[in-house]
Amino acid sequence: EDQVTQSPEALRLQEGESSSLNCSYTVSGLRGLFWYRQDPGKGPEFLFTLYSAGEEKEKERLKATLTKKESFLHITAPKPEDSATYLCAVQPRTGANSKLTFGKGITLSVRP
Amino acid sequence: KAGVTQTPRYLIKTRGQQVTLSCSPISGHRSVSWYQQTPGQGLQFLFEYFSETQRNKGNFPGRFSGRQFSNSRSEMNVSTLELGDSALYLCASSNADRGGTEAFFGQGTRLTVV
Repeated sequence: EDQVTQSPEALRLQEGESSSLNCSYTVSGLRGLFWYRQDPGKGPEFLFTLYSAGEEKEKERLKATLTKKESFLHITAPKPEDSATYLCAVQPRTGANSKLTFGKGITLSVRP
Repeated sequence: KAGVTQTPRYLIKTRGQQVTLSCSPISGHRSVSWYQQTPGQGLQFLFEYFSETQRNKGNFPGRFSGRQFSNSRSEMNVSTLELGDSALYLCASSNADRGGTEAFFGQGTRLTVV
C-alpha cells in the first residue's frame, strides 16, 4: 500500500527565515510526486510535479526536490502570504488510473 | 480557461438523508476523481471516472457512489448519511489518459451532517 508521511505537522517561521518541508513516501513504482498548496476553506492548488530522483523544480520562493524515498519543499525567504498547508501526494506507476495518495499536510505560518 | 467547478459549496443534511454533489471538470479533461478531506484522515481517495467508466475505487462503503456523463461532468452521491460523513468533498480533473499528469482541484463542497 502506498504511504506518504509529511513532517513536521506544523512549522512557524519568521518572515525571511528559510526552511524545508519533508515528504517521505513508499510506493510501488513512482509515476509522479505532486506538491499542492491549500488555503483554509479552499481546494488544493497545484504547485509541482516531480517524476524521477534528482529532479528539481522552482517557482518563486519555492523549490521542490526528489530522491528515491523523499521529497523536500524548500522555502527561501518566506513571506506571510506563503502561510498555508502544503500537501504532498504520490501516484503509482501501476494501472491506468490517476489515484493520488496524500500525506496529512504541513501547516506553515510565516510571521511578519 | 475555467477551472474545476463544484456545486453546491455548502450543504447541511440530516442523518439518514442522501446527498448529490456535482463537479464540472476543466474543459477537455476526461478524468474526474473525488476525494474526502477530514481533519483526522486528511485527503482520501473515493473514486475516479474516465470516459463515463469508474476506473478506480477507494476504501469507502457502498453508500458512496458516483457517475460521469458524456460531457465529463460528474456527480457523487452519498446515501443514508452518517455524522462521520461530514467533510470537505473535493473533485479533481486531469487530462491524463493513462495517469501521470497533475490533477486540478475544485473549491470543494463542505458537507455537514447533523
